[in-house]
Amino acid sequence: AQSVTQLGSHVSVSEGALVLLRCNYSSSVPPYLFWYVQYPNQGLQLLLKYTSAATLVKGINGFEAEFKKSETSFHLTKPSAHMSDAAEYFCAVSDYYSGNTPLVFGKGTRLSVIA
Amino acid sequence: DAGVIQSPRHEVTEMGQEVTLRCKPISGHNSLFWYRQTMMRGLELLIYFNNNVPIDDSGMPEDRFSAKMPNASFSTLKIQPSEPRDSAVYFCASSSADNTEAFFGQGTRLTVV
Repeated sequence: AQSVTQLGSHVSVSEGALVLLRCNYSSSVPPYLFWYVQYPNQGLQLLLKYTSAATLVKGINGFEAEFKKSETSFHLTKPSAHMSDAAEYFCAVSDYYSGNTPLVFGKGTRLSVIA
Repeated sequence: DAGVIQSPRHEVTEMGQEVTLRCKPISGHNSLFWYRQTMMRGLELLIYFNNNVPIDDSGMPEDRFSAKMPNASFSTLKIQPSEPRDSAVYFCASSSADNTEAFFGQGTRLTVV
């Protein structure tokens, strides 16, 4: 069964600094990987997804993630943090290229941005 | 499209009462997922449906929980009787076969006192 581990339940960065949120996955078949963002009192919104095309994936709001098979990782980065990036971020994995199977989520990382 | 619509947004109920959460998926989506979010356990899949048929309900914590999807545009999650440990945010999400991602509703925050 697939699983996701997010390292660090809380990450704090200064405004303008690099954002790095870590995600490692476990999957018996080539995975499909996702990052979602959750703002306070909101649902989850897709940031970006990897579906076996380019290993470097660009998403919304300046975020990107790189799929590294050798490291079983899919870390999320943003060169310069903005105050509006403060939110909870979830990494998720699916074994199947289909929307008809559920995603398995990590426990989330809360990002704080300090002015 | 209005997205996935959940109601109510907030629910406060007394222990022992029946609670019904509602979800309207995005039109044209044929998969629907119910998740529960808590601080301790994160996001847990409770149950999901494909074409209105329950596929996997192994995440439903107890017999007190039940879910139905009578048609393609409506689903309910019922807790009877409710207990304080059921307090959480419940999310509904929908997707289609040609989309890899799920689209989430705003969630229902349930508080059982």
